[in-house]
Amino acid sequence: DGGITQSPKYLFRKEGQNVTLSCEQNLNHDAMYWYRQDPGQGLRLIYYSQIVNDFQKGDIAEGYSVSREKKESFPLTVTSAQKNPTAFYLCATFSTGWGGYTFGSGTRLTVV
Amino acid sequence: EDQVTQSPEALRLQEGESSSLNCSYTVSGLRGLFWYRQDPGKGPEFLFTLYSAGEEKEKERLKATLTKKESFLHITAPKPEDSATYLCAVQRGGSGNTGKLIFGQGTTLQVKP
Repeated sequence: DGGITQSPKYLFRKEGQNVTLSCEQNLNHDAMYWYRQDPGQGLRLIYYSQIVNDFQKGDIAEGYSVSREKKESFPLTVTSAQKNPTAFYLCATFSTGWGGYTFGSGTRLTVV
Repeated sequence: EDQVTQSPEALRLQEGESSSLNCSYTVSGLRGLFWYRQDPGKGPEFLFTLYSAGEEKEKERLKATLTKKESFLHITAPKPEDSATYLCAVQRGGSGNTGKLIFGQGTTLQVKP
């Protein structure tokens, strides 16, 4: 089945630690996105990539980094510079065919 | 500035009690308006895309409509399994379109048996 796989489902980060969230897709979509979701707030865009080896900052990129070395993968690193990283992180791809997003199942990150 | 506002924030219905969720938006050149359903701890699931004022789409007990300023998600005779958070998002059109969606904060629906 085609889809998006996010891992891990739950992740715990200690203060000062960098962690990487994985996002893999087999939909053959060019564009990939990372969103952050906090209770009572809409999804906010962190980074996006429309093509391999290229990516752009979204609205809340500070404290995060990404890479796009291959079409299928768009990992997100939450660095120690992100002061409030506890949130639900969603990866999505965009289809130019039907013009909408497909989302992964999310990673819940908690600072301990 | 592009903005999406959903109301109400939370809605409690009895099974069979029909109602509507509202999504008001301001965007420079609407390319599309999207509705998603999200269950707790899961990623959003696509429901509808609407492209122009006057357009309507239906799926089972759900019907989405679009005007130039807002969209409604009508739920007819809801069942407990319709309980979820419903997200509205808009995509700006025009050149340089990045595919970015601007999301509202969502409406959490609870349907009691």
